[in-house]
Amino acid sequence: AQTVTQSQPEMSVQEAETVTLSCTYDTSESDYYLFWYKQPPSRQMILVIRQEAYKQQNATENRFSVNFQKAAKSFSLKISDSQLGDAAMYFCAYRSEEQDDKIIFGKGTRLHILP
Amino acid sequence: DAMVIQNPRYQVTQFGKPVTLSCSQTLNHNVMYWYQQKSSQAPKLLFHYYDKDFNNEADTPDNFQSRRPNTSFCFLDIRSPGLGDAAMYLCATSRDRGQKPQHFGDGTRLSIL
Repeated sequence: AQTVTQSQPEMSVQEAETVTLSCTYDTSESDYYLFWYKQPPSRQMILVIRQEAYKQQNATENRFSVNFQKAAKSFSLKISDSQLGDAAMYFCAYRSEEQDDKIIFGKGTRLHILP
Repeated sequence: DAMVIQNPRYQVTQFGKPVTLSCSQTLNHNVMYWYQQKSSQAPKLLFHYYDKDFNNEADTPDNFQSRRPNTSFCFLDIRSPGLGDAAMYLCATSRDRGQKPQHFGDGTRLSIL
């Protein structure tokens, strides 16, 4: 069975600095998708960035980028130039291409932005 | 404009009294999901519909049922809520399987008295 592990329950970063949130996963599949979702307090969950496992190039969306290491089964999220609005719970998610579209979330990392 | 709409935002019910949560979408997406999210925890998938095909997670309690009468609407029925069912319930949609991301609603926070 697939698992997703986020080893940092909470993190803090100074405004305008860079922070990296870690995520590792375990799977025996070769085709899958990885996502980072952001859930601000009392607000809806939104997609931040996604990565197809067959692509070697790391995905980038403005200030957000990932470091995808397929062999190591690692999928970290880097947030550059952190802003107060980045404060949220961040969930790493794995989506199976093979097993009936099963989706698994990590336990989340709560990110605090210090002014 | 909201694309995945969950009603109500807050729902209170009594122990053992059936309750229904609703979700509608304006995206015409094929897939609709229901998640349970307890405080400070990750969302846990309960079940999902791929079009009319219902897919139940193995560890979803029998107490939880779902209906999808048409593409736009999906309901979560909790037949006899227990105190442990108090949680945020999230509805999400996806255009298709695989790489397509999910779009989430605001959630319904369910409290059990």
